[in-house]
Amino acid sequence: EVQLVQSGAELKKPGESLKISCTGSGYIFTNYWIGWVRQMPGKGLEWMGIIYPGDSDTRYSPSFQGQVTISADKSISTAYLQWSSLEASDSALYYCARLPSGSGSYVDYWGQGTLVTVSS
Amino acid sequence: SYELTQPPSVSVSPGQTATITCSGDKLGEKYVCWYQQKAGQSPVAIIYQDNKRPSGIPERFSGSNSGNTATLTISGTQAMDEADYYCQAWDSRNGVFGGGTKLTVL
Repeated sequence: EVQLVQSGAELKKPGESLKISCTGSGYIFTNYWIGWVRQMPGKGLEWMGIIYPGDSDTRYSPSFQGQVTISADKSISTAYLQWSSLEASDSALYYCARLPSGSGSYVDYWGQGTLVTVSS
Repeated sequence: SYELTQPPSVSVSPGQTATITCSGDKLGEKYVCWYQQKAGQSPVAIIYQDNKRPSGIPERFSGSNSGNTATLTISGTQAMDEADYYCQAWDSRNGVFGGGTKLTVL
């Protein structure tokens, strides 16, 4: 059974750093893209970026380029999303998602989401 | 940057057909997928590559894409279909979501 299990909810202060994780199981981790999606409270889905753990090819959406870092450790089938200095506006639910390779790819499995709250 | 536009809300009576549109420049030249998100849950793909249904998705969900508009059609809408729906496409290898449409089944 394919699963994406994300790390637990986080409560952080502005200016702090954070790294959340997404661990894949039930499939060959290096053969699929992992994407990260933000959902701010009461708002829609926003695509942040994707990584191919097989070769660490990473692509960021323009709105998130330079704001976050996406990485992966294929030895433990885990992808990461990290911030160096959080802002209150980073408070949101973050989903990781699995995408098959190839044209017309789509998310076939989603993680359960990690809630990040940034507040002083 | 590329934008996808959806109506904020659509209402439908049970058993009727619901239509949700997604507009973008030359969208018909791209593959479109659709996701359903119920309250408090992770999204689920219901249509990919314009008109294909993932395993387990009921036949009442269908999709099309031509010109500047992709369309999600739900035939014989049921109360359980009440949810937010998002279209998504790829532009220059970046994923783009529409703003989402809240489907209300009255």
